Amino acid sequence: DAKTTQPTSMDCAEGRAANLPCNHSTISGNEYVYWYRQIHSQGPQYIIHGLKNNETNEMASLIITEDRKSSTLILPHATLRDTAVYYCIVRVRDDKIIFGKGTRLHILP
Amino acid sequence: DAGVTQSPTHLIKTRGQQVTLRCFPKSGHDTVSWYQQALGQGPQFIFQYYEEEERQRGNFPDRFSGHQFPNYSSELNVNALLLGDSALYLCASSPRTGPTTNEKLFFGSGTQLSVL
Repeated sequence: DAKTTQPTSMDCAEGRAANLPCNHSTISGNEYVYWYRQIHSQGPQYIIHGLKNNETNEMASLIITEDRKSSTLILPHATLRDTAVYYCIVRVRDDKIIFGKGTRLHILP
Repeated sequence: DAGVTQSPTHLIKTRGQQVTLRCFPKSGHDTVSWYQQALGQGPQFIFQYYEEEERQRGNFPDRFSGHQFPNYSSELNVNALLLGDSALYLCASSPRTGPTTNEKLFFGSGTQLSVL
């Protein structure tokens, strides 16, 4: 079973920052937080991952709370192409990736 | 550089038949994972292959089996198909290069299987 809780759906205006929350209150010390997204008719795409420090790459930023029980994925300037299902996953390195139902993000023009 | 490729893209079978799906990993990747995605659900882990052996398995019956070849490509076989096996089957590959392994999975676009 997935170890994370995410809102079923969210809306965000084009050009604004999209902030996607994820609750993982039972996360263990050796589990990482990963984010993937799935655009319609495609396979999931890796976005970012982190252990306890905040992370940033060319796609997004990941903010992990100090107690590690929740995190937020930030897409700084959302575009219509960011419309997708976003999955938050916790896993130990090398372990299988278990997907939940994710958050369906709609970017509004 | 080609990413993960899967064949065929679509397939229609009838109940009781057997099916084989194929996956060619991204160049430089040696680990292949298979997932089943029912409509409206997240992908469900089936199994993972590395060095031609099944390394991890999800909660799927023995009707689901696989194989990995020396060139790292992989097959997913499903026997005695049921209507409930209708789904998108996704293959993902990753490199196994020392302690920081399995960081990112690269997914193909999947094979859409319809069982009638």
